[in-house]
Amino acid sequence: GAVVSQHPSWVICKSGTSVKIECRSLDFQATTMFWYRQFPKQSLMLMATSNEGSKATYEQGVEKDKFLINHASLTLSTLTVTSAHPEDSSFYICSARVLTADWGGNSPLHFGNGTRLTVT
Amino acid sequence: SQQGEEDPQALSIQEGENATMNCSYKTSINNLQWYRQNSGRGLVHLILIRSNEREKHSGRLRVTLDTSKKSSSLLITASRAADTASYFCATAGAGNNRKLIWGLGTSLAVNP
Repeated sequence: GAVVSQHPSWVICKSGTSVKIECRSLDFQATTMFWYRQFPKQSLMLMATSNEGSKATYEQGVEKDKFLINHASLTLSTLTVTSAHPEDSSFYICSARVLTADWGGNSPLHFGNGTRLTVT
Repeated sequence: SQQGEEDPQALSIQEGENATMNCSYKTSINNLQWYRQNSGRGLVHLILIRSNEREKHSGRLRVTLDTSKKSSSLLITASRAADTASYFCATAGAGNNRKLIWGLGTSLAVNP
């Protein structure tokens, strides 16, 4: 159980266009999802916390208007990279928690398989 | 900001050998988690150890936690080529903080 599906797995787009990445929790409800960015051979950088039915919480230095997050249902969060530029090329990964009585907000994360974005 | 640090950054061993990776952190934690990432893929949760636990086992994995030294280690015994991946530690703060603080990762290569 606890499967997170992320699509697309890779996308190539032209500079100036927008790209939407979807993150779905397939067998559980996720009131909170997390969007990360990862550069080659580096750790995860949290971009924003996506909250169902409310605005996302962005980390310092992440442009809200650049990286639009929508969490319209308990099983779907989307990240839209608007007016993409080559420097936005990266590996984007979403994750979600299965809340348990034991762990609550500190339970382990379940990750999607990531999206490789290349902006030409 | 990332506060965890793993060492070594890269580790290369032969199949059958044990692999040990270390993680240090800076602030009080609720728990510490280890994840694995195959190249170009998402992360998979391996094991979680609570702040009041000192050791935990799961199959060929053994995790220790020393809160006085703010450090943890992940031991993979009898390694296999399929264990080749990057391994990350992440800490969950005290107070039910929802954000994990990630380490920089250890890249493990297990040679057949």
